[in-house]
Amino acid sequence: NAGVTQTPKFQVLKTGQSMTLQCAQDMNHEYMSWYRQDPGMGLRLIHYSVGAGITDQGEVPNGYNVSRSTTEDFPLRLLSAAPSQTSVYFCASSPGLETQYFGPGTRLLVL
Amino acid sequence: SQQGEEDPQALSIQEGENATMNCSYKTSINNLQWYRQNSGRGLVHLILIRSNEREKHSGRLRVTLDTSKKSSSLLITASRAADTASYFCATDSTGANSKLTFGKGITLSVRP
Repeated sequence: NAGVTQTPKFQVLKTGQSMTLQCAQDMNHEYMSWYRQDPGMGLRLIHYSVGAGITDQGEVPNGYNVSRSTTEDFPLRLLSAAPSQTSVYFCASSPGLETQYFGPGTRLLVL
Repeated sequence: SQQGEEDPQALSIQEGENATMNCSYKTSINNLQWYRQNSGRGLVHLILIRSNEREKHSGRLRVTLDTSKKSSSLLITASRAADTASYFCATDSTGANSKLTFGKGITLSVRP
């Protein structure tokens, strides 16, 4: 099993550009989440999904969209990148609200 | 807002010593988890303790939970340089639309 994979590993964007961060898991987990990690802020939940076709907002959803068309994939879309979205983004999956399996992260720099 | 808050923010100890980290939270929980993050990597699950449990062990890790004080502690015994990492607590609050909420983390440095 590959576990949770994230692509790309690193991305540089210009303000106003859009992009999609990919996340995939091969563990058949229903629960998937996106977090951002900023220095001194810990992990903050952006969006999460409790199953295919179901998504909900977390603590910091503004500027991000998600969809969950399959159990395996949970992409995060930045509609119009802003410097405040410079961060490290982590995707996680789990069978429920217990042990979360994290991907390796995507480092995003918005200029 | 973040549910869990770890204390201290940073901890530096000598190899072989014990490291104790604390986490406090605000609302009732179903369970509390501890994670480790090595520099530049994703988080790794260490241990989960449920709200009806008071203490749990896993190898050199010991976790306690006091629901009356809304706090938990993580003890790492006989620390090693490889334990150098950031440690996070995460809580799963009771109620509808429950989500997992992470604290800001504790940076542990173990000096060889």
